[in-house]
Amino acid sequence: DIQMTQSPSTLSASVGDRVTITCRASQTINNWLAWYQQKPGKAPKLLISKASSLESGVPSRFSGSGSGTEFTLTISSLQPDDFATYYCQQHTFGQGTKLEMK
Amino acid sequence: EEQLVESGGDLVQPGGSLRLSCVASGFTFSSHWMNWVRQAPGKGLEWVGNINEDGSVQYYADSVKGRFTISRDNAKNSLHLQMNSLRTEDTALYYCARVKSGDGGSVGDFWGQGTLVTVSS
Repeated sequence: DIQMTQSPSTLSASVGDRVTITCRASQTINNWLAWYQQKPGKAPKLLISKASSLESGVPSRFSGSGSGTEFTLTISSLQPDDFATYYCQQHTFGQGTKLEMK
Repeated sequence: EEQLVESGGDLVQPGGSLRLSCVASGFTFSSHWMNWVRQAPGKGLEWVGNINEDGSVQYYADSVKGRFTISRDNAKNSLHLQMNSLRTEDTALYYCARVKSGDGGSVGDFWGQGTLVTVSS
């Protein structure tokens, strides 16, 4: 199985900050990479598919980039609603990045 | 309104079996691959497996291969997960998710709220 490795595991940031989360695949996956947001007690929400395609209704402050084995999720200006855990996925998921308030 | 409603979660002893169900409404169920994804308490997401539109193809994570079976009944808009030889490490909230069309088979663009499976003696 392809392994997905996210970094960092935890990220402390403030409202208005620009933040970046990285996901690395153990072998090339072209652009078959999705990003999700999950809040406590809720199901995951798809943000981005095919590495950079923003889902309908997702704010434009979210963006994804990358191809091959290295991918990033960027939030251009953090809003209070963005503090959550973020996962990347090809088939398997990364271990998650908890974005917490500094 | 699109809906996915899981059921069947329960407390079961190690070595036991359980069958989960997921009923879909509000979209054309038979046109989508479907996923099962689980999340152990306080842990991350784990893809369990998926099934194609007509039920003829399934893929599984190594951790469940040979123990779990995914099936579907398109006439009843239902998805199932038969879990055998259950282990304590199978304890988790089990989600069904609709796979986004054209995205390589595992991207879940709509999720249920999950059903809890606890494996304990």
